[in-house]
Amino acid sequence: DIQMTQSPSTLSASVGDTVTITCRASQSISTWLAWYQQKPGKAPKLLIYDASTLQSGVPSRFSGSGSGTEFTLTVSTLQPDDFATYYCQQYNTYFYSFGQGTKVEIK
Amino acid sequence: QVQLQESGPGLVKPSETLSLTCSVSGASVSLQFWSWIRQTPGKGLEWMGYFYHTGITNYNPSLKGRLTISGGTSGNQFSLTLTSVTAADTALYYCARHGGSGWPPYYFDLWGQGSPVTVSS
Repeated sequence: DIQMTQSPSTLSASVGDTVTITCRASQSISTWLAWYQQKPGKAPKLLIYDASTLQSGVPSRFSGSGSGTEFTLTVSTLQPDDFATYYCQQYNTYFYSFGQGTKVEIK
Repeated sequence: QVQLQESGPGLVKPSETLSLTCSVSGASVSLQFWSWIRQTPGKGLEWMGYFYHTGITNYNPSLKGRLTISGGTSGNQFSLTLTSVTAADTALYYCARHGGSGWPPYYFDLWGQGSPVTVSS
């Protein structure tokens, strides 16, 4: 199994800040990585796939990078709508796994 | 606009079988891979298994042969059956569509709103 570890677990930030979330895989997954945003009471929403490709309709302030075992999600100029929990997910193998989530909260 | 909607009982007794259905509108179940994913406060998001209309399936080994995903009995649907449930199966269950066109199936580009299931006597 590939384990996905996100850091930090919680991140406090203000509107206008730039925040970065890290996701590490227990083995190389090339760029087979997606990022999701989840708000309370809602399903996860796909933001980025293939590590750095922005899903249609997602604002360009979201960006992803990385390959192999280390990946980052950056949200530039944080907006009020961006306070949520973010998850990474690998699809390198036939068994999919998610990170434990990073909650971005208002400072 | 593609929409996914889960349906099923909110309460299941221990040792019994959980059955959920995902109804798809705006897209054909025959054209993509589809998965079930569940979420709990303790374990987070857990992929359960995927299904393709030709009968291709793949399941999370942690579900130890208790899980079956298949085409729905009517219309544009697919279903989940989980046997011998315990309290550990209490979760919010999502159906989701796989995006892209690669193999193995890729990320999840559309999700249902989720169906809460409690296992309790």
